[in-house]
Amino acid sequence: AQSVTQPDARVTVSEGASLQLRCKYSYSATPYLFWYVQYPRQGLQLLLKYYSGDPVVQGVNSFEAEFSKSNSSFHLQKASVHWSDSAVYFCALRSSNTNKVVFGTGTRLQVLP
Amino acid sequence: EAAVTQSPRNKVAVTGGKVTLSCNQTNNHNNMYWYRQDTGHGLRLIHYSYGAGSTEKGDIPDGYKASRPSQENFSLILELATPSQTSVYFCASGDARGANTEVFFGKGTRLTVV
Repeated sequence: AQSVTQPDARVTVSEGASLQLRCKYSYSATPYLFWYVQYPRQGLQLLLKYYSGDPVVQGVNSFEAEFSKSNSSFHLQKASVHWSDSAVYFCALRSSNTNKVVFGTGTRLQVLP
Repeated sequence: EAAVTQSPRNKVAVTGGKVTLSCNQTNNHNNMYWYRQDTGHGLRLIHYSYGAGSTEKGDIPDGYKASRPSQENFSLILELATPSQTSVYFCASGDARGANTEVFFGKGTRLTVV
């Protein structure tokens, strides 16, 4: 079975500070991993994705994530956040053999001016 | 960019009634998905499909049926709606032909069962 855990329901940071949103996954094979962002009353938009190769992947708006097989993690990072980054962030995993895609419970990010 | 259109965008239904949520995608994706989003639960997978004529149970299929009559369309059916099915429902599509492909989401349907 595949699953994704986002242990932090809410994160609050000040504008200009660095950010890390945590994601842990459970999957027996090589995972396809994604981070999505959801702004109020909208659908989800892709930030970045990972399948293989360099464990550090770059995404939109200067977000990046680092895959760790040993830790079963795929944490999202940003060096300096902006107030417009306030949103809900979801980590997702796609099964390589069934194409089933599951999501974590999300982390609500609030950036204080 | 992939276009996924959901209808209706808002729906109020009565308990015990039948509700059909529709989803259309225009990018010829093989895979389509239905999720519901609830506070504290994130997105939970209800049903998904590999192509026309196929439907698969997701993690929370009870109380829901799905139908994929064509490549473009994927419906979610609540035969006997209950208040516990009040939620925001998202449809998504993705291309199974690539190894590293994301899913694209519609804007959601807000369903209230009274």
